[in-house]
Formats: sequence, C-alpha cells, structure tokens
Amino acid sequence: DQQVKQNSPSLSVQEGRISILNCDYTNSMFDYFLWYKKYPAEGPTFLISISSIKDKNEDGRFTVFLNKSAKHLSLHIVPSQPGDSAVYFCAANLQGAQKLVFGQGTRLTINP
Amino acid sequence: DTGVSQDPRHKITKRGQNVTFRCDPISEHNRLYWYRQTLGQGPEFLTYFQNEAQLEKSRLLSDRFSAERPKGSFSTLEIQRTEQGDSAMYLCASSWASGSGYNEQFFGPGTRLTVL
Repeated sequence: DQQVKQNSPSLSVQEGRISILNCDYTNSMFDYFLWYKKYPAEGPTFLISISSIKDKNEDGRFTVFLNKSAKHLSLHIVPSQPGDSAVYFCAANLQGAQKLVFGQGTRLTINP
Repeated sequence: DTGVSQDPRHKITKRGQNVTFRCDPISEHNRLYWYRQTLGQGPEFLTYFQNEAQLEKSRLLSDRFSAERPKGSFSTLEIQRTEQGDSAMYLCASSWASGSGYNEQFFGPGTRLTVL
C-alpha cells in the first residue's frame, strides 16, 4: 500500500508564478514530513521539512503547509525559477522508526 | 568532506552474476541507510545501520541481498545471483543521530544497476 502519494506525475508552471506541489498520506503515525528535490543523475537533495506539530514552515521561496485533518501537505514555490525544474519527492518519517517513506514524485517544469 | 559518495555510479551485469556497491557516508554521521528507486517511483527503504549494527531490514531485502558496515564507516551492499527485477537506482544516505527524533538524511548520487 502506498502510504505517501503524489497524484500529479508532472506539473508545468510559468517562470515567476507560483508552483504548488501536493502530497497525501494515510498513516497518522508520521511525525515529520520532508520535501526532496532531485535532478537527473543526482541523489535527492533535502529542500524543506515540517514537524507534525506545526502547520506551516517557510524558507525563502519555499513554504510547506501541513493539514493534519486532511492528511495533506503541499509545497509552494514563489516565484518559480527555471532552476526549480526537477523531480520533487514528498517523504514522511514514521514516529520511532528511522526510515523515510517516499511518494512517487512530481516532475516540475518551469517554462521561461 | 563534500557529502555522501557511492561507487560505482553505473553497473551493467548479466543475470546470475553477483554485484557489490560501496557507500561512503559523511564522515561524522553515525547512521547509514540504503534505499532502492525504480523507474517512476520514489526511493524505497531497504536497510539502515547505526554505527556498525544493522538495525532494520525491509522485507524488500531478500536473502540475495546483504549489507555490511564493518567499522561503522563505509558500507557495502551485495546482490547475489542478480535478476532483471533488481535493475534500479540504489541510493545511500547518512545522518547524525543524537536521539530518537528525526535526523535529516543526506543522499548520495546513487548507483544505477542494469541487469541484462
């Protein structure tokens, strides 16, 4: 069963506009959520995270929102830049465990 | 130290052969993880070490897979009698753990395995 889901395989956004990437999860025992960015031929790079006790975390152009009642989180990138084009993975940490559960990824393309 | 390194970056092998991958974590990190990523999917957890002790193994890690971290530094992942279904990107990550909470994992570039 897929405990972390990213239902949009791809997203295309105009440069300068907002990019919104979504992620849903099913396990209420996840205590930490993360977004990773991946370029081709590289490993995932940590982008931003949020604890389950918070509903928002902001870091520069990146903001992650967590809606625990809906078991949904989203990543907002404002403004979007061409260098943001990559595959974005949502991941969750299971409380007490030491492993990440990843979504399938969303390929973001920023058009000039 | 610039990050997690993995060797080789690419490996092509014939079905039935054994392969071994190496991961060198960030030097001060005491935890080391192995993940596998197949096309169109996110990374899936395989196993992790705290220092030299292997503390958890996923059910994805069949008997043909073995991982070691003999001195608590680098780690090796060996796949015996490879099958075409083993074709994937094998990712290594490391972290510094000082307690039971979440510790950020830093990933290496991965080893892409192709089994013919």
